[in-house]
Amino acid sequence: KQEVTQIPAALSVPEGENLVLNCSFTDSAIYNLQWFRQDPGKGLTSLLLIQSSQREQTSGRLNASLDKSSGRSTLYIAASQPGDSATYLCAVGHRNTGNQFYFGTGTSLTVIP
Amino acid sequence: NAGVTQTPKFQVLKTGQSMTLQCAQDMNHNSMYWYRQDPGMGLRLIYYSASEGTTDKGEVPNGYNVSRLNKREFSLRLESAAPSQTSVYFCASSLRTEAFFGQGTRLTVV
Repeated sequence: KQEVTQIPAALSVPEGENLVLNCSFTDSAIYNLQWFRQDPGKGLTSLLLIQSSQREQTSGRLNASLDKSSGRSTLYIAASQPGDSATYLCAVGHRNTGNQFYFGTGTSLTVIP
Repeated sequence: NAGVTQTPKFQVLKTGQSMTLQCAQDMNHNSMYWYRQDPGMGLRLIYYSASEGTTDKGEVPNGYNVSRLNKREFSLRLESAAPSQTSVYFCASSLRTEAFFGQGTRLTVV
């Protein structure tokens, strides 16, 4: 069974700082990896999707990398803003199991003005 | 752009009552999913449907049933609610790759 771990569980940084969130997974036979943002009491918003054949994806101030061989992904957030405060979740997808997605428990980010 | 729509958004049930959570997507996706989210445990898969007419158990299926009514709709039923089923329930859909989530149903069983 795929296990997904996110470290740290919580992170507090001053506004303007660059930061890295980590995601590790135990089974490297993944189809894709997706990063989500979740605001309190809300649903999940997709941030970046990396296919298994890709090494990274970028969207604005966000950059996600994928290293399947080591079972790791990182989400880099540049020049953090208070509006980035949220919980960030990573999920790995497996094609051979009906595209099931396995989630980490998330990193709760607070950006201090 | 409706995406994935879940109803209701909030629900309080008494132990032993039954209810159905509804989910519909308008993106013509083949796969649909039901997850529950509990503090400290992340999202756990209850049931999924890889295509219309098929359903499979996920990690935590006990106490739940599902119906893939058509390509658009995937419902989750609690036949006899228990306090342990107090949670936030999310429906999602995907077309092989990217997953899209609904806004969730916050269910409390008293």
